[in-house]
Amino acid sequence: EVQLVESGGGAVRPGGSLRLSCTPSGFTFDDYGMNWVRQVPGKGLEWVSGIDWNGARTAYAEYVKGRFTISRDNAKNSLYLQMNSLTAEDTALYYCAREGFDYWGQGTLVTVSS
Amino acid sequence: QSELTQPPSASGTPGQRVIISCSGSNSNIRYNTVNWFQQLPGTAPKRLMYSNSQRPPGVPDRFSGSKSGTSATLAISGLQSEDEADYYCAVWDDSLNGWVFGGGTKLTVL
Repeated sequence: EVQLVESGGGAVRPGGSLRLSCTPSGFTFDDYGMNWVRQVPGKGLEWVSGIDWNGARTAYAEYVKGRFTISRDNAKNSLYLQMNSLTAEDTALYYCAREGFDYWGQGTLVTVSS
Repeated sequence: QSELTQPPSASGTPGQRVIISCSGSNSNIRYNTVNWFQQLPGTAPKRLMYSNSQRPPGVPDRFSGSKSGTSATLAISGLQSEDEADYYCAVWDDSLNGWVFGGGTKLTVL
């Protein structure tokens, strides 16, 4: 059974940093690209970033470019999202999703507040 | 404001057919395939449709998708109470070089 488990969320001050992790199971991780998608509570879905199977290609939504970095460690079976210079507008539930968005985790909540 | 426009709400009675639209542009829907997602309250999104009209295993054939030009539609026939959820379209945007999601449509089963 395919599962994706996010971790690393929490409360952080504006300007702070967090690193999210996503741990997959039930499939061969390095066969697939991965994505991060976020959702402000009560609002819609926003794609944040994506990475191909070996990390050679990455893509970012305009509103996180230069602040967020997606990466993966296939040897450790892990996907990451390094988030810097966080603002209140980054407060959201962050989901990792497999390439094609066919499987999603349950999300990890990031709250940016002073 | 999203690159993809969906009606914020839709409704129908049990057994009815409901259509949810997703309007995009030449940089996204026209030349790329559309996905649809269902999000039940308090849960993660679930892929309902891919490649415009393909249903993943387990998705009832009451759900169907189509695309024409720069718009896509999700149709739900034989509406059931458990279909009450938020529905999102998503597609790759060649100009933005990233995925875009519609704003979502809240479906109410009356």
